[in-house]
Amino acid sequence: EVQLVETGGGLVQPGRSLKLSCVASGFTFSSYWMYWIRQAPGKGLEWVSSINTDGGSTYYPDSVKGRFTISRDNAENTVYLQMNSLRSEDTATYYCAKEAMMAYVMDAWGQGASVTVSS
Amino acid sequence: DIQMTQSPASLSASLGETVTIECRASEDIYNGLAWYQQKPGKSPQLLIYNANSLHTGVPSRFSGSGSGTQYSLKINSLQSEDVASYFCQQYYDYPWTFGGGTKLELK
Repeated sequence: EVQLVETGGGLVQPGRSLKLSCVASGFTFSSYWMYWIRQAPGKGLEWVSSINTDGGSTYYPDSVKGRFTISRDNAENTVYLQMNSLRSEDTATYYCAKEAMMAYVMDAWGQGASVTVSS
Repeated sequence: DIQMTQSPASLSASLGETVTIECRASEDIYNGLAWYQQKPGKSPQLLIYNANSLHTGVPSRFSGSGSGTQYSLKINSLQSEDVASYFCQQYYDYPWTFGGGTKLELK
């Protein structure tokens, strides 16, 4: 069974940093792209980042580019999201998700990690 | 960026009814469209990919259709467990973008 477990969320002041981790199990982690998607309270979904299988290619929307960094450790079956210069608008539940085999879509999601940016 | 406009924002329907949710892209996305279901307090789950392919384990009462810029999700014979929010997502081009969501409730 595929499992994705996010940790590292919490309350952080504006301008500070936070690092999320997502530990994967139940599949060959090193063979799949991984993603981070966020959802502000009561709002829709926003794609945050993508990383390819070896970590050599990463993608971000303009809203987080230059502030967030996705990385992965295939030996530890873990994907990370380093978030710097946090803003109030980054407040959201952050989900990690796994690439589906048949298309660039997300066929398994973690339970989410809550991040609140507030003074 | 490709904008995804989803309608309606909310929908109330009766058990056994057929409902349709629409998603319009600001440009041709060549069937690079997925639909997700998110039940209250839960993570999203993949329903449909490539506009019309049913993900493994998803009930056959769900179906997707469309092409170009216009896509739709249809739920036949609505069940109580279908109460959820539904989101479309284009993955044709970065940045990936989602529709605003449709909240489906029982009448």
